[in-house]
Amino acid sequence: AQSVTQLGSHVSVSEGALVLLRCNYSSSVPPYLFWYVQYPNQGLQLLLKYTSAATLVKGINGFEAEFKKSETSFHLTKPSAHMSDAAEYFCAVSEQAGTALIFGKGTTLSVSS
Amino acid sequence: GAVVSQHPSWVICKSGTSVKIECRSLDFQATTMFWYRQFPKQSLMLMATSNEGSKATYEQGVEKDKFLINHASLTLSTLTVTSAHPEDSSFYICSANPGRTQETQYFGPGTRLLVL
Repeated sequence: AQSVTQLGSHVSVSEGALVLLRCNYSSSVPPYLFWYVQYPNQGLQLLLKYTSAATLVKGINGFEAEFKKSETSFHLTKPSAHMSDAAEYFCAVSEQAGTALIFGKGTTLSVSS
Repeated sequence: GAVVSQHPSWVICKSGTSVKIECRSLDFQATTMFWYRQFPKQSLMLMATSNEGSKATYEQGVEKDKFLINHASLTLSTLTVTSAHPEDSSFYICSANPGRTQETQYFGPGTRLLVL
């Protein structure tokens, strides 16, 4: 069965610092992996996705993630945090196109000035 | 492109009433739509998979008679919470998939339901 583990329910960084949000997955087949961002009382916005092409995926707003099969990880990074990055971030997995996503528990990112 | 809308965005109702939430794909046809529920400070949990023209598939523990799903067209799925109770208060989010070979789902903005 698929599952997603996001290490750290809350991450705090200073503005301009590196952002690292961790995601590990379990899947019996090569998965599709996603990072979504959610602002308060809003739906989810897709940041980036891995679909078995390049292992380093670049997304919107300066975020990127690297798929590491040996570590079953798909960590999200951003070189320099901005105040507007403060939000809830969800990692998600699916084993097959067109099927529902399995979400991690989410990581709240706080950015201080 | 790939916009999904939900209506209403907010609803407050009395216990025992029914509430209908609409999910529309505005610029694409969605053969499959998904309904998720999100409790405060928690992740999204899949409630059901809605396929156009057929019965929805519900996840274990989700009462199909309480959460009625209708996917009557390729751009509209509705979730009706029947005889709502305070424990049904939650954030309901739908997503739509442009096709069974498409891996990306597009999410609606969510509907906040408060049952008094």
